[in-house]
Amino acid sequence: DTGVSQDPRHKITKRGQNVTFRCDPISEHNRLYWYRQTLGQGPEFLTYFQNEAQLEKSRLLSDRFSAERPKGSFSTLEIQRTEQGDSAMYLCASSLMYHEQYFGPGTRLTVT
Amino acid sequence: TQLLEQSPQFLSIQEGENLTVYCNSSSVFSSLQWYRQEPGEGPVLLVTVVTGGEVKKLKRLTFQFGDARKDSSLHITAAQPGDTGLYLCAGGSNTGNQFYFGTGTSLTVIP
Repeated sequence: DTGVSQDPRHKITKRGQNVTFRCDPISEHNRLYWYRQTLGQGPEFLTYFQNEAQLEKSRLLSDRFSAERPKGSFSTLEIQRTEQGDSAMYLCASSLMYHEQYFGPGTRLTVT
Repeated sequence: TQLLEQSPQFLSIQEGENLTVYCNSSSVFSSLQWYRQEPGEGPVLLVTVVTGGEVKKLKRLTFQFGDARKDSSLHITAAQPGDTGLYLCAGGSNTGNQFYFGTGTSLTVIP
């Protein structure tokens, strides 16, 4: 299967711990997006990469959040000192055409 | 600030009925996309509309982009239980660097 993959699918962590999520986009896609989605809401944009360059960051992305795409392929999203409010589904999407995004299955984070 | 408002937020209908979901904004978008999302999964792209007034059909689903490119609608004919899910509209910034998703419409089709 050559779709977008995310790892892990589920993560339970204690408040104050750091977590890191990985996204592997569709191989020829140069655009990569991270979103956060809480129950009953649409996804909220977090950040955007074109190849390895991070070109856009939402104000939602506090200093505790950092994202990388070191070689323009896979990407990681790290949350430091997690808080209960960080509990959400974290979605990754990739695209070749800017208006057609393909999403991964998401990582569901629960902070206890 | 939610740039895209969807209505209704929840919809529960009987199999075979027709329905329309609306996506409205005060902003102009160069394109709008519609997605369907099932619980625990990522959204799946259904269609992209790019031209004002454009109408696209995907089997029993009809998508329309408003003439002013500020709104869109999704019409489902003869809904089936397999249509159940969360329907999301999304619009991109002019640069394509950021996307704004609507509030979502949760559809349940009862057999």
